[in-house]
Formats: sequence, structure tokens, C-alpha cells
Amino acid sequence: SYDLTQAPSVSVSPGQTASITCSGDRLGDKYAYWYQQKPGQSPVLVTYENTKRPSGIPERFSASNSGNTATLTISETQPMDEADYYCQAWDSNTVVFGGGTKLTVL
Amino acid sequence: EVQLVQSGAEVKRPGESLKISCKASGYGFTGYWIGWVRQMPGQGLQWMGLVYPDDSQTKYNPSFQGQVTISADKSIKTAYLQWNSLRASDTAIYYCARLSGYFTQGVYFGFWGQGTLVTVAS
Repeated sequence: SYDLTQAPSVSVSPGQTASITCSGDRLGDKYAYWYQQKPGQSPVLVTYENTKRPSGIPERFSASNSGNTATLTISETQPMDEADYYCQAWDSNTVVFGGGTKLTVL
Repeated sequence: EVQLVQSGAEVKRPGESLKISCKASGYGFTGYWIGWVRQMPGQGLQWMGLVYPDDSQTKYNPSFQGQVTISADKSIKTAYLQWNSLRASDTAIYYCARLSGYFTQGVYFGFWGQGTLVTVAS
């Protein structure tokens, strides 16, 4: 089965740039997707097809995908960005999620 | 506006059956796959399976195949997740979500329901 690996936690100071990575075998050959989940809420899609943002997602959220690593970048991080972030890919007829990264803004 | 409204929280005993629902509105229900995602307490997201409401075609995560049944009733724009015999380990929040993208390129969940908490305890 295909695995996506994320660091359990990342910390960032308000106003700084946060980078959350997701690793998988030849992930760059697939589309990567990112979701944000705040406590007690449903996940929200923040980027899709490697680099695209759904309507309503702030421009400070951007993403890339190359080689074995997809990266979600949050510029000028705000306290409201504190959440769990999950990457996702599609492989062999299976939706695969990464284990999630807890972003702490402090 | 796309909306997925799920049925309410459930408390069940081990061995009991359960069917939870996800009612769609705001888009052509038969034209999009619906998926189910499990989130166990304090844990991450696990994809369970998909259903295509137009013809009830399904795709399952092998880890959940045979453990649950995913179905849809297009006449009432509702998808379902069903268990015949619950276990304590089924305690989790279950989300339905609308699938976007193409299977040949990559698929993702663009819209999510609010989640249904299922608690299984004796």
C-alpha cells in the first residue's frame, strides 16, 4: 500500500512562514492535496492538484509537489491557522491520507 | 450552495447494527462520487470507500471491505454507511464528502459533511 508521511507537529511564530511537508514514493508524479482541520470541525480543502486554491482560501496558502515531497506553505501565518493539516493522494484506486501535522502558532 | 448534512450522533452496543446517512443538496447528486472517511478519537483521517449514486457503484478501501456497506438512494439524494455488527473499535467520527477530480489523474474531497459521532460501548 502507498504511504504518505508527515511530521507530527510544526511550530511557527505569528507573521512567519510555516512549511508542512508530506513524503511519499514518487509523490511528485501524482497530484497532492491538502486539508485543514480545526478542533471540532470538519476538514476543509485548502489546496488541490498540487498548487491550486479553492475559492475562499486565502492567498497566504500555497503548495508545491516535486520528487518525493509535497509542501504546504503558509505565509504570514496567523493564529487562526493553528490546526491539523493532512496531505492526500490517489494511488492504485485508493484515497491515501498522510498522518497529519499539528501546526502550532505561538 | 453544496451541502452535505449527516445524521445525528449515535450510541450503540457491540454487536448492534447501524446505518448513518448523508443528505446532499445544492448540486447534481448523481454526478459525483460520495466518500466516507473515519476519524478515530485523537487520530487522523482514514478513507473507507466511495459510492456513485447514479448506479450505486462502489469502491472500498481494502481495510474496510466486508466491514461496512456503502450505498446511496438517488431518489432522496442520500448516501449511507452501514454496519451489521458494531465493535468498540468502530467508535469514531464518520464524515461523508463529495469527490472531485478524475480517477485517471487524482481525486479529492472538495466538500465535507459535519460528521457523525458513533460511540460503541457496552
